[in-house]
Formats: sequence, structure tokens, C-alpha cells
Amino acid sequence: EDKVVQSPLSLVVHEGDTVTLNCSYEVTNFRSLLWYKQEKKAPTFLFMLTSSGIEKKSGRLSSILDKKELSSILNITATQTGDSAIYLCADLQGAQKLVFGQGTRLTINP
Amino acid sequence: DAGITQSPRHKVTETGTPVTLRCHQTENHRYMYWYRQDPGHGLRLIHYSYGVKDTDKGEVSDGYSVSRSKTEDFLLTLESATSSQTSVYFCAISEGQGGDEKLFFGSGTQLSVL
Repeated sequence: EDKVVQSPLSLVVHEGDTVTLNCSYEVTNFRSLLWYKQEKKAPTFLFMLTSSGIEKKSGRLSSILDKKELSSILNITATQTGDSAIYLCADLQGAQKLVFGQGTRLTINP
Repeated sequence: DAGITQSPRHKVTETGTPVTLRCHQTENHRYMYWYRQDPGHGLRLIHYSYGVKDTDKGEVSDGYSVSRSKTEDFLLTLESATSSQTSVYFCAISEGQGGDEKLFFGSGTQLSVL
């Protein structure tokens, strides 16, 4: 059974700090790993990672996949209060299904 | 929002009553999904559909059934609601192909079973 584990489950930092969120996966037939941000409502797509070592960036957010270590990290630099959210990591399976980790609840204090 | 509408947005019901949640999409997507979200569990797949009248179970399908009689609508039914089914329910569609698939989610339905 495929499994996705995120750490930490909860993180509180001050505005301006840099944070690193972790995602590890155990899957039988890896296709891709996706990151989502969830504020009050629906998860919104951030990144899709398919190849090891290639960094995806969007503004202050970046993510990279390590296929050898079966893991991925999501970095957020110069955090802002608007970055407060639950960050979800998910493994893409056949039939385009996603298996999610538990999520990391990130709180940015001013 | 990828043209996804969920209804109702909130519902409170009693144990033992049937409940149907509706997901409507306007962009002719083939794949549709129902997830539930509970604290400490992330999102877990209940059922999914890969076409009209083509559905399959996810990891937490017990106590739920689905139907898809037309492309745009995917219904989730709780035949006899239980308190353990109190949750936030998200519908999703899949976009992309050839390894570039991504899921996009509706705004969710908050269901409380008392």
C-alpha cells in the first residue's frame, strides 16, 4: 500500500523566517509528487515533481524531489502571514488518483 | 475553481438518515473524485469515476456509494449516515495527460452527523 508521510505536522515561525517542509513516500510505481496549499477551503495546486534534482520555483516557494531518498522538500523563504496554511504532499497513482500525506499546518506569526 | 460546484456547502443531519452530496463540473472532465478530510488524516479517497457509469472504490469507501449518470455530475450518497462520517467532503477533477495530470478541488461540503 502506497504511503506518504509529512513532517513536521505543525510548525510555528515568525514572519521573515525560512521554513522547510518534508515529505517522504513509499510507493510501488512512482509517477509524480504534488504539493498543495490549503487555506480555508479547497487545496490549491503548487508544484508537480517528476524528476529527481530538478527544482520547481514560484516566487518565494520552491520544491525539489530526491528519488534516491524517496522524499521531497518544500521551502518558503521570507515567510509572510499569508503563507499560513496547511501544506499537503501527494503521490499521483494510476487513474490519476492522489494519495495524500497528513499535511503540515504552518503558522506565521507577525 | 476549474468549474467545480459542490452542493450543499453545509449540511447537518441526524444519524441514520440518507444524505446525498452533489458535485457538478462544467468542463467535460473524464475523471472525478470524492475525498474526505479529517484532522490528522489529510485527504482520503472515497470513490472515483473514470466516465459515465464507470466508478471504483477508494481507500475509505465503506458506507458510501456513488453514481455518475452524466459527465457533469458525480453524486456521493451516505445510505445511513453515522457520526463517523462527520467530515469535510471535497470533490475533484483531473486535468492534463501524459504524466502531467493534476487534481483541482471544489470548495468542499461540511457535513455534520448528529
